[in-house]
This record gives sequence, C-alpha cells and structure tokens, in this order.
Amino acid sequence: SQELEQSPQSLIVQEGKNLTINCTSSKTLYGLYWYKQKYGEGLIFLMMLQKGGEEKSHEKITAKLDEKKQQSSLHITASQPSHAGIYLCGADVTNAGKSTFGDGTTLTVKP
Amino acid sequence: DGGITQSPKYLFRKEGQNVTLSCEQNLNHDAMYWYRQDPGQGLRLIYYSQIVNDFQKGDIAEGYSVSREKKESFPLTVTSAQKNPTAFYLCASSAATRGYYNEQFFGPGTRLTVL
Repeated sequence: SQELEQSPQSLIVQEGKNLTINCTSSKTLYGLYWYKQKYGEGLIFLMMLQKGGEEKSHEKITAKLDEKKQQSSLHITASQPSHAGIYLCGADVTNAGKSTFGDGTTLTVKP
Repeated sequence: DGGITQSPKYLFRKEGQNVTLSCEQNLNHDAMYWYRQDPGQGLRLIYYSQIVNDFQKGDIAEGYSVSREKKESFPLTVTSAQKNPTAFYLCASSAATRGYYNEQFFGPGTRLTVL
C-alpha cells in the first residue's frame, strides 16, 4: 500500500537478537494496528496505538507511535523462533470505515 | 466461543466457474470485510459492509460480488470475470463502522486455486 509503507520487506535474524519493523504513512494516523500472520492463516491482533508518543508492550514486543502520528515501530527484544511470521500494520487513514494495510514484513528467526 | 469462520479452507475452481466463499461471525459486529492477499503482498480490500443490506466496493472489486442479508454472514462470490482469482482470501469483522479506532478480527482464510 502506498498509504502505509512497511520496512524492511523481509528480515532474517539470529535467535536472541533484537529487531525493529517500521510503518510510515503520508497521512496522520489516528489509529494504528499491528497484526501478526502465520503463513496460510488469518491475522492475529497484537496492539493498537492511538495517541502521539504512545507506547505499548506485550511480552517481548513493543510498539510505538511517534508524536506526529505518522510513523510507528514494532520492536522485538531477544527474538525467538515463535516470533517468526508476517507482521502487518493497518490503519483507517480516511475515516471511511475501511482499513489500509502495509505490505507486511516477513520475519525469520534462525535457531 | 466468539469468532469468525471461513469455509472452505481450500477451494479449487475450473476456469469459467463461479465460486462462493463463506464468512460467518458471531461477534455481533456491524462491519465485515473481504480482502485478497497475494504472495509477498499485503491485504487488498475487495468489498466491505457496514450494515445489513448495504455494502461498498473496495480497491479491487471487479470480478467479485457480495451480499449482506444477515448481520452474521457476508459471502463472497468470485465470478468468471475475475481474471486472476488464485489467491488467499481473508474475511474480517469489526465493531466500529466508522472512525479511526477500527480493530478488525480475522477469519482463518480460504485459499482459492484456479485449475
């Protein structure tokens, strides 16, 4: 999606390493969602960010939304093989009742 | 348990045939969505519905049709007019029909292959 750009497209890390995935928009994000997807399965909701500067954590995953609300990052600390999958960011950037998604970041964690 | 179900999980279609993918939710959500996902790509919106008996085209509606006769059901028909229907199809629902806070719950997906 051009409205939401994710980087990197793919990421291979050694188990135990930290990593960061970014999601950038040309528009102000009033609600930013992070999802995780295993190949061939549906998306699992991870976290939602609403306010500029907001930060949320769940286990070893931390998501942040910058003050301008145009960029979000997802940080995984001490990665494990269970973290492998596709991470997608999504947001309703037009207030039209529909979400736009980034193209996803495929994460591989090598044991 | 509340959730979204999609069926079938795998579907094979011959060229020229129409097929219908099922999506059911018991979350009492007003809004429902259909997405298409191709390898290495994100989700692209096909159709969405914010209320019963009403739906809107998404970004790639050509070759697809939907209906929303019941709140809990939002079937998607892939018609023979869809030139490249082989893909992974995801259905989702949300409580919010408008506004920025629109967390969506996803079904397990249907993988459609055209033979």
